[in-house]
Amino acid sequence: GQQVMQIPQYQHVQEGEDFTTYCNSSTTLSNIQWYKQRPGGHPVFLIQLVKSGEVKKQKRLTFQFGEAKKNSSLHITATQTTDVGTYFCAGPQDSGAGSYQLTFGKGTKLSVIP
Amino acid sequence: EAQVTQNPRYLITVTGKKLTVTCSQNMNHEYMSWYRQDPGLGLRQIYYSMNVEVTDKGDVPEGYKVSRKEKRNFPLILESPSPNQTSLYFCASSFRRISSTGELFFGEGSRLTVL
Repeated sequence: GQQVMQIPQYQHVQEGEDFTTYCNSSTTLSNIQWYKQRPGGHPVFLIQLVKSGEVKKQKRLTFQFGEAKKNSSLHITATQTTDVGTYFCAGPQDSGAGSYQLTFGKGTKLSVIP
Repeated sequence: EAQVTQNPRYLITVTGKKLTVTCSQNMNHEYMSWYRQDPGLGLRQIYYSMNVEVTDKGDVPEGYKVSRKEKRNFPLILESPSPNQTSLYFCASSFRRISSTGELFFGEGSRLTVL
């Protein structure tokens, strides 16, 4: 079945440094979603990318979808302590008969040192 | 307020004692799903439902049951819990879209400990 691999598993950065997490799929994705989970919280939807080569920005966050629609990245510029949490990518898996489910990467846990 | 509500939020139980974790959403979503989250393993899907009376297995369905009798509710049933089902459980819902699953709205999680 489809696998979604995410690296790195952990990342510790000094406040103000940049951070990037990468997501790779074994199959072409129709779209990819990104979620953030704060410590002790639940995953919260950040964004969905649909088009090949798409780039979207949300303030200091930049999301990219690869040209082949098999990889994606999330880049945070000048991290802040509020960025702490685990970032997940998720891609739809065709379960047959028009049934789709999201497959999540294992996430990248970001720690920001003040 | 649009939300997904899970109960209980915390539960400690013993092996073999049947339990149900309830999940309810007020957004009229067709799609609902259960995930378990374990350290180093990320979010793994247990069961999902595309609509009322339509359920299907996810990646880790063993030891769990679900039902979808009403659109808003999707309970997770552990008939005979075992210690390896100790985990953090999330219910999620979304509008169903063709060739995709829309943005998932997650509940706040249910932390289950099986002794």
